[in-house]
Amino acid sequence: GAGVSQSPSNKVTEKGKDVELRCDPISGHTALYWYRQSLGQGLEFLIYFQGNSAPDKSGLPSDRFSAERTGGSVSTLTIQRTQQEDSAVYLCASNGGGTNEKLFFGSGTQLSVL
Amino acid sequence: QQQVKQSPQSLIVQKGGISIINCAYENTAFDYFPWYQQFPGKGPALLIAIRPDVSEKKEGRFTISFNKSAKQFSLHIMDSQPGDSATYFCAASMGDYKLSFGAGTTVTVRA
Repeated sequence: GAGVSQSPSNKVTEKGKDVELRCDPISGHTALYWYRQSLGQGLEFLIYFQGNSAPDKSGLPSDRFSAERTGGSVSTLTIQRTQQEDSAVYLCASNGGGTNEKLFFGSGTQLSVL
Repeated sequence: QQQVKQSPQSLIVQKGGISIINCAYENTAFDYFPWYQQFPGKGPALLIAIRPDVSEKKEGRFTISFNKSAKQFSLHIMDSQPGDSATYFCAASMGDYKLSFGAGTTVTVRA
């Protein structure tokens, strides 16, 4: 596709359930990022992939959060045993991995935990 | 703890007016300062960026002013238009992959 694609666009789940969020980056982009956007909190870095490896997972809030990337392309962010504080917009971005290279963001997944 | 502090949280400006958003940082290792623009329901998109070796950068109606000694930078939107109504995020990085974003400023331009 022409841009970064994220699915689903909206997800409503019950507290305690697991959720999977998907990101399909721009073709050829080697670097992939997950950010979380909470109301009034700006964008919070979660994890960075270069190819299939994740050299920086420092932003993952707890061990309930995990992410993987396969084939140097699609990435999945998994949240286990969701809590209400996990409610946010989860944004994925990609680029070629160069220094100060602009990020191309998807439209995000709005996660609501009831 | 946010490494980049952004203000105001929101602002309203009349069409044709000037919108000013301010950001401050502490980490002197930051050497790249982009601004991203986000419309409702969309992801942020790069608007304009500056390096600390220049004090000002202008692209159309958008200008970044940078004050290295004060560790502050700002975005000025000249002749604001209703289509500029969006949320603006300042950010900073150390020339690596990780951007630290401000909390965002929602700009509303009244016609």
